[in-house]
Order: sequence, then C-alpha cells, then structure tokens
Amino acid sequence: DVKVTQSSRYLVKRTGEKVFLECVQDMDHENMFWYRQDPGLGLRLIYFSYDVKMKEKGDIPEGYSVSREKKERFSLILESASTNQTSMYLCASSFPTGIQYFGAGTRLSVL
Amino acid sequence: SQQGEEDPQALSIQEGENATMNCSYKTSINNLQWYRQNSGRGLVHLILIRSNEREKHSGRLRVTLDTSKKSSSLLITASRAADTASYFCATEPNTGNQFYFGTGTSLTVIP
Repeated sequence: DVKVTQSSRYLVKRTGEKVFLECVQDMDHENMFWYRQDPGLGLRLIYFSYDVKMKEKGDIPEGYSVSREKKERFSLILESASTNQTSMYLCASSFPTGIQYFGAGTRLSVL
Repeated sequence: SQQGEEDPQALSIQEGENATMNCSYKTSINNLQWYRQNSGRGLVHLILIRSNEREKHSGRLRVTLDTSKKSSSLLITASRAADTASYFCATEPNTGNQFYFGTGTSLTVIP
C-alpha cells in the first residue's frame, strides 16, 4: 500500500513563528504536492514539485516556501506564521499523470 | 483560477437511494478523477476517467465525462450510511503536472 505520512496531525503555533510541515512518501513518486483546505474553498494548491530540487508555484504560494532535497520528502515552510494561515494542510504524491495519494492532513492553528 | 466546481454543494438522501453529483471544469484535460474525504481526513482516490473515455464503472460508482461540455458526473447507487463524506473532482490539464480540485459536494446518507 502506498503511504504518505505527514509529520503532525495537529499543530498549534504562535504568530511570527517559523513552521515546518513534513511529508514523506514511500512509492518513489516523482510528483509531490502541498494543498491547503478551507471551508467553502476546496483544495488550493500551494506548491508542487516534479523532481528533486524542482518546485513550481501553485495558486496560493504567498507566505510559503518548499524544499525537496530527497525524492521521498517534501517540506512546506511558513517563514513567519500568520493567523490567516490557520488551515488544514494536505500533502499528496503521484507519478506523472497518475492518481494522487494523500496524507492524513495537518490541522494547523496559528494563534 | 482553474478550479472546478461541484454541484450541489450539499446533498442529503436516504439510505438505498442513488446520489448524483456533478463537476464542471474550465480547461482541456488529460483525465478527471474523483476523490472522497471523510471528515478531518485526507482524500482517497475513487476513480479516474481519461479524456477519451465517456463512462466508467467501479462497484457502485459510475462516472461519466462530457469533454464538449467540460463536465463530469459521479453516481453512487444504492447508497449506504458509510458513503457519508465529501466528494471532490480533480482535473489534470493537458498542459502540465498540476491537478485542480473542485470545491466538493458534501453527501449525507441518512440510515
């Protein structure tokens, strides 16, 4: 079974903190994705990566950065967390033009 | 935004009835996928239909695709209480690796 593991299910941070969300997949997928999910807005793509050290901006990259140093790991970084970044964050991975496999999600609260 | 839209936003039916939800999208696609999300969890892939296919079945699921109208529908037959979840369509444009998710349909199946 494909496994996509997100490092935390729940996270509470303070405004201004630097936040790292980690995602690891075990299927040797080329593509990895970070989404945020908010009520009424569905899933919105923050960043995606189609290879190690490669990244592309999604629809809402502002306030976020990413890192992909190894194929299996894709990190989302909030450089200075703000309250409007309180959300559910979902990581996914896939082969090109393939099915996306999702992690369980990280519910982040920024106070 | 290239985000798709599902219709209706919410649907409530009795157990045993059929549930139909629709998805409209904006660009030419390689494929369209449907996902399911139980409350507070990650998404799980249900079915993929390619742009050259018109209909696909998987168990109690039936998906249709009309590329001329840029729309798809998901039919769940003989619904069960366990089908209660949110359902999302996701499109992969034929111009890249990115996926675009709709805003979701929240389905409630009443026992």
